[in-house]
Amino acid sequence: KAGVTQTPRYLIKTRGQQVTLSCSPISGHRSVSWYQQTPGQGLQFLFEYFSETQRNKGNFPGRFSGRQFSNSRSEMNVSTLELGDSALYLCASSSRQGGDTGELFFGEGSRLTVL
Amino acid sequence: AQSVAQPEDQVNVAEGNPLTVKCTYSVSGNPYLFWYVQYPNRGLQFLLKYITGDNLVKGSYGFEAEFNKSQTSFHLKKPSALVSDSALYFCAVREGGGFKTIFGAGTRLFVKA
Repeated sequence: KAGVTQTPRYLIKTRGQQVTLSCSPISGHRSVSWYQQTPGQGLQFLFEYFSETQRNKGNFPGRFSGRQFSNSRSEMNVSTLELGDSALYLCASSSRQGGDTGELFFGEGSRLTVL
Repeated sequence: AQSVAQPEDQVNVAEGNPLTVKCTYSVSGNPYLFWYVQYPNRGLQFLLKYITGDNLVKGSYGFEAEFNKSQTSFHLKKPSALVSDSALYFCAVREGGGFKTIFGAGTRLFVKA
C-alpha cells in the first residue's frame, strides 16, 4: 500500500510569489491535514479537509488556503510569499471513518525556501 | 482549546539507560493522545497512542507511555535507550470526537554511546 506522497519535495521561491503544494493520501483515506514545521514554532496545524470540505482550520492568515478533490488528493496554496513562510510543509492522511483510531500518516514533506 | 506542552527541548541519555520524554496536555473532552518520531529530513512516524483502557500503552521499537489523567500527562518511556533512538519526538492530542490533532513543540533526544 503506497504511503502519503507529497510533491514537490523541495522548492525555492522569492518574496511575493505564490506556491502550490500537492498531497496524495493513502488509498482509502479521505481526510488530509496540513502542518507547517519550523525550528522555532514546531508543528503548527494549518487545516484539515474531508470529503472536499475544510473541516478544521488553524490560526494562519488568509494567504494560506487549500482544497481537496473528489479523489481525496489535496493541494495547499500560499500567496504573496514572505520570508517567514520558509518551512517544511507536512501533509498527513487518516481514514476518518468507522474504525479510525486517530493516528495520522505523514508524507515526507515539501521544503519551501523563500528568498 | 487543545494544547500540548513538552517542557524539555532536549533530553540526553546514555545508551542502555532508561529514557523519559515528558508531555502534558489540555483538552476539554476525552483525550486521544499520541507520540510520533521524526528522523532528519523525514515526515513523522506514529509510535503509539492512548484512546481508552489501560493507562500503560506499548508501541513500536520498545517504547511505552503512561497516561495519567489527574496530572494530564502522557510521558514517553523506554527501559533501555539505543543510539538509533536519537531523533525528534512529538507528543500530540486530539479531542475525542474531533479531527484536529495538535502537536507539542517537540523534544530532541540524544542517546550517547
